[in-house]
Amino acid sequence: DTEVTQTPKHLVMGMTNKKSLKCEQHMGHRAMYWYKQKAKKPPELMFVYSYEKLSINESVPSRFSPECPNSSLLNLHLHALQPEDSALYLCASSLTQAYNSPLHFGNGTRLTVT
Amino acid sequence: GQQLNQSPQSMFIQEGEDVSMNCTSSSIFNTWLWYKQDPGEGPVLLIALYKAGELTSNGRLTAQFGITRKDSFLNISASIPSDVGIYFCAGQLRADKLIFGTGTRLQVFP
Repeated sequence: DTEVTQTPKHLVMGMTNKKSLKCEQHMGHRAMYWYKQKAKKPPELMFVYSYEKLSINESVPSRFSPECPNSSLLNLHLHALQPEDSALYLCASSLTQAYNSPLHFGNGTRLTVT
Repeated sequence: GQQLNQSPQSMFIQEGEDVSMNCTSSSIFNTWLWYKQDPGEGPVLLIALYKAGELTSNGRLTAQFGITRKDSFLNISASIPSDVGIYFCAGQLRADKLIFGTGTRLQVFP
C-alpha cells in the first residue's frame, strides 16, 4: 500500500466545473509534488512545495492552482479545464529536496474532462 | 521536457527468464532511481542508488549506478507474472530535478 493517499481515484468534470484533487502523507516529508502523466508517457512535473511554500511552477496554466494547507496535505484546484487536460494526476512526497531523498508517489487521480 | 534514453522500449518474455533494461544520459546524476508502475496506479519505488559504481539488490531485482554517473541498469531474475508493468528509470540531481526515462513495458507469459 502506498503511503501517499490521493482522492478521488477517478474524476469526471465538465469544462465549466470547479473541482479539487487532494493528497495526504504522514511520513513527515517536507517536500510535496504534483505530476501529470499521459498514457504511455513518464510523469511530468507540475509543481513543487517545500516546507509548505511553492518552490517550483513548471509554467503550468493558471487553470491549475495548487495549495499546501499544511505539511501533510496538498491540494490541486481545477477550474475551466480543457479536454486535453485529461490525464493521471500524481502526487508525490520526499523527505527534503536533497538528491538523496527519493520521491514516493500516490496512486493518482484519473481525470477526464468532457 | 527532458527524458532519459531507456531500452528496450518493450519486452515479451517467458516466465522464469531473466530480464535486463538500462538507462543512459548525456548528463551526470547524483542519484538513480528505478520505479515500477502497474496499470491505473502510481509508480512504486523499487531501488535507489546514491553512489557511482553502487550495486544494490531488492529480492530478485538488482540495479547498478554506472561509474560514469551517466547510466544505470536493472536486472530482474526468474521473472514471474506479477512482474508485468512499466519500469521507469529516473536520474536525480535534487528531489525536485527528477528526469524520467521513457519506460520499458514488460510482459511475462506463463
